Amino acid sequence: AQSVAQPEDQVNVAEGNPLTVKCTYSVSGNPYLFWYVQYPNRGLQFLLKYITGDNLVKGSYGFEAEFNKSQTSFHLKKPSALVSDSALYFCAVRASGGYNKLIFGAGTRLAVHP
Amino acid sequence: NAGVTQTPKFRVLKTGQSMTLLCAQDMNHEYMYWYRQDPGMGLRLIHYSVGEGTTAKGEVPDGYNVSRLKKQNFLLGLESAAPSQTSVYFCASSNPTPGQGSYEQYFGPGTRLTVT
Repeated sequence: AQSVAQPEDQVNVAEGNPLTVKCTYSVSGNPYLFWYVQYPNRGLQFLLKYITGDNLVKGSYGFEAEFNKSQTSFHLKKPSALVSDSALYFCAVRASGGYNKLIFGAGTRLAVHP
Repeated sequence: NAGVTQTPKFRVLKTGQSMTLLCAQDMNHEYMYWYRQDPGMGLRLIHYSVGEGTTAKGEVPDGYNVSRLKKQNFLLGLESAAPSQTSVYFCASSNPTPGQGSYEQYFGPGTRLTVT
């Protein structure tokens, strides 16, 4: 069965420190992987995606993610966290059956403290 | 270019009442989706559409109906609302054409629905 796991409900980071939000997946075949961010009372905003190619993917707002096929992981990273990065982050994988359907993880709340 | 818009933003219903949520997109996307978001459960797909006049069931379709009479609009209906349908509802769209901007979904701002 296809699934996405975000093992941490919340991640706390001090401003200026590097951050990592973890994501692991389970799919058959080659995965198409995505990260989205949700600010309070807003819709989801697309951050980045991995389809093929370089395992390190760069996205919006200085975020990047590393695809690791052997560990079936797609962790989101940023070298230096900002207080404004505080939000809810969702990892997603493209579902089988086409039509760009996505399976989402439960989400990880990132809190960046001054 | 407004992207994906949703109306209304907020709604309170009594059990048994009906309502329709409207989603509109101006990106000429073929695919559209309705999700519900509940705490600790991420987003779950209710229904989706792969083109004008088509609809299909997602993961949690019970209690909902949808229609896609025009390419740019995707309506979600609740015929007889139940407290279990209290949630935040998101509409999204995506582009099936290979190339930049493909595969990812673009989301509306959401509708917060409370059923009492």
